[in-house]
Amino acid sequence: GESVGLHLPTLSVQEGDNSIINCAYSNSASDYFIWYKQESGKGPQFIIDIRSNMDKRQGQRVTVLLNKTVKHLSLQIAATQPGDSAVYFCAEIGETSGSRLTFGEGTQLTVNP
Amino acid sequence: NAGVMQNPRHLVRRRGQEARLRCSPVKGHSHVYWYRQLPEEGLKFMVYLQKENIIDESGMPKERFSAEFPKEGPSILRIQQVVRGDSAAYFCASSPLWGVKGYTFGSGTRLTVV
Repeated sequence: GESVGLHLPTLSVQEGDNSIINCAYSNSASDYFIWYKQESGKGPQFIIDIRSNMDKRQGQRVTVLLNKTVKHLSLQIAATQPGDSAVYFCAEIGETSGSRLTFGEGTQLTVNP
Repeated sequence: NAGVMQNPRHLVRRRGQEARLRCSPVKGHSHVYWYRQLPEEGLKFMVYLQKENIIDESGMPKERFSAEFPKEGPSILRIQQVVRGDSAAYFCASSPLWGVKGYTFGSGTRLTVV
């Protein structure tokens, strides 16, 4: 079946370092990808998105890379801060998905001061 | 400009009782989505509604679960005869148009079935 999954369940980094969170997807028809941040007790918060016709998109301190050849998505966070500690999910939507998002299982990012 | 409001934040029900979860979308948003999140898992799509219409319920369990989004008032996710496996966080999201642009999530309702 179709799935979106993450390589690592946890990631621990030092404050100021760069973080890279990875995501694999299996649905080749996926054409839109989103990274969400979820803090404890809160709903998912949009971070950045990318369409399948792009391979890179940059935001403020975040960059998303898309490799369609190997169906891989990554989120890079520059100069990671304690406030970045959260669970990060990738999500995808494809041609046949309508408006529904398919989420991966999440990576817990912990930033050590 | 309030975001998506969900209530209650926490709900405890005994097995066999009914659970009603409410979601008020962002003002002006006419599209509502419900997702369920089991502990340490990602969110799973349940249902997509517009005012007075269910558009996509492909993620809803066939029995005991229902959802509505009336012309007036919040969207309601109703779970009848709850079982322990229904314990989860239920998130609502809304958007102004079809599609994920402007898709805003609420803070969720944590349902615990005892």
